[in-house]
Amino acid sequence: GENVEQHPSTLSVQEGDSAVIKCTYSDSASNYFPWYKQELGKRPQLIIDIRSNVGEKKDQRIAVTLNKTAKHFSLHITETQPEDSAVYFCAAIGTGGFKTIFGAGTRLFVKA
Amino acid sequence: DVKVTQSSRYLVKRTGEKVFLECVQDMDHENMFWYRQDPGLGLRLIYFSYDVKMKEKGDIPEGYSVSREKKERFSLILESASTNQTSMYLCASRPKFWLAGAREYFGPGTRLTVL
Repeated sequence: GENVEQHPSTLSVQEGDSAVIKCTYSDSASNYFPWYKQELGKRPQLIIDIRSNVGEKKDQRIAVTLNKTAKHFSLHITETQPEDSAVYFCAAIGTGGFKTIFGAGTRLFVKA
Repeated sequence: DVKVTQSSRYLVKRTGEKVFLECVQDMDHENMFWYRQDPGLGLRLIYFSYDVKMKEKGDIPEGYSVSREKKERFSLILESASTNQTSMYLCASRPKFWLAGAREYFGPGTRLTVL
């Protein structure tokens, strides 16, 4: 079935460093890739998304890249800050456009 | 601003009880979803609905049922709660994919403990 693999499961960086989270999807028909951030005790919130007709998208310190051929997409956070500490989920909209397939999540720790 | 609400933040039930979790959204979204969130497993889809009275099984539907009698409301039912259903349950809604983007709006979650 459709699935999304996400790595690493845990990531620890020093404040000011960059963080990269990588995802691989299986359904070649997927055409929308959102990233969600979930702070402790809170609901997941969309932070950035990318459509399959775009290779890269940036929003201030956050960027997402997509390689459709390899079925890879990645989240890049630059100049990390302690408030970036959270769990990040990648996702892909599968065939038919109904179901969202989520990765297992990456717990990011940013050390001050 | 989209608002998705869930009937309870915390719930404690006993094994064998029937449990109702309710989700309401105020943005006239066609699609609604119930997920279960467990550490290390991410968000797993239980059921989803793309219209009133329509429902589709997700990846882990066993032990659950759903009801969507009105567009704004999507209920998750545990017919006979078991301890392995202790989890965080998240509801989400989303407009039609091809109209307004495909991002999901999540409710605050219900932490269910089954004793």
